[in-house]
Amino acid sequence: EDQVTQSPEALRLQEGESSSLNCSYTVSGLRGLFWYRQDPGKGPEFLFTLYSAGEEKEKERLKATLTKKESFLHITAPKPEDSATYLCATKKNSGGSNYKLTFGKGTLLTVNP
Amino acid sequence: DTAVSQTPKYLVTQMGNDKSIKCEQNLGHDTMYWYKQDSKKFLKIMFSYNNKELIINETVPNRFSPKSPDKAHLNLHINSLELGDSAVYFCASSEQGSYNEQFFGPGTRLTVL
Repeated sequence: EDQVTQSPEALRLQEGESSSLNCSYTVSGLRGLFWYRQDPGKGPEFLFTLYSAGEEKEKERLKATLTKKESFLHITAPKPEDSATYLCATKKNSGGSNYKLTFGKGTLLTVNP
Repeated sequence: DTAVSQTPKYLVTQMGNDKSIKCEQNLGHDTMYWYKQDSKKFLKIMFSYNNKELIINETVPNRFSPKSPDKAHLNLHINSLELGDSAVYFCASSEQGSYNEQFFGPGTRLTVL
């Protein structure tokens, strides 16, 4: 069965203290790994898609990387507004040209000023 | 402009009642989804429709019935509500294919008393 495991479950950082979130997966036929950000009371907001091992993508203070077994979301010099739950999801074929996402449970990031 | 909208945002009802949640997307996407996010924040796919046709139907009680009148709308009807149905339900949409991210609505918080 496909599994997506995120760690840690919660992470508390001081403003400016860099760190990384981990997403490990066991998925057959991976067609992409997605990172989303979810603020309280809102729907997930798309951040990145990674398709192959070695790929990296950056957006402001965030950088996502991918290996064959895991993905990391690196946060450099975070600010309080980066506080949110970060969700990782794998995408695989569900038949024909259709695909589905399997989400991890997320990492709740809190950045203190 | 709202990309994916859901109504209502909050729904409080008694056990045994029947209720519906509506979803609309104005992105021109072919595929729409319903997800359930439980109290532990775990986001799980329930259904997926592509051009009004059911594609994915995960292990969901048959009290849940999605209906897609057109490709811009995917409604979720729930019969005989149970306490365990309490959760946040998210609608999402995407273009068909593996390389496309899903866009999520703001969620509907359902509370069954």
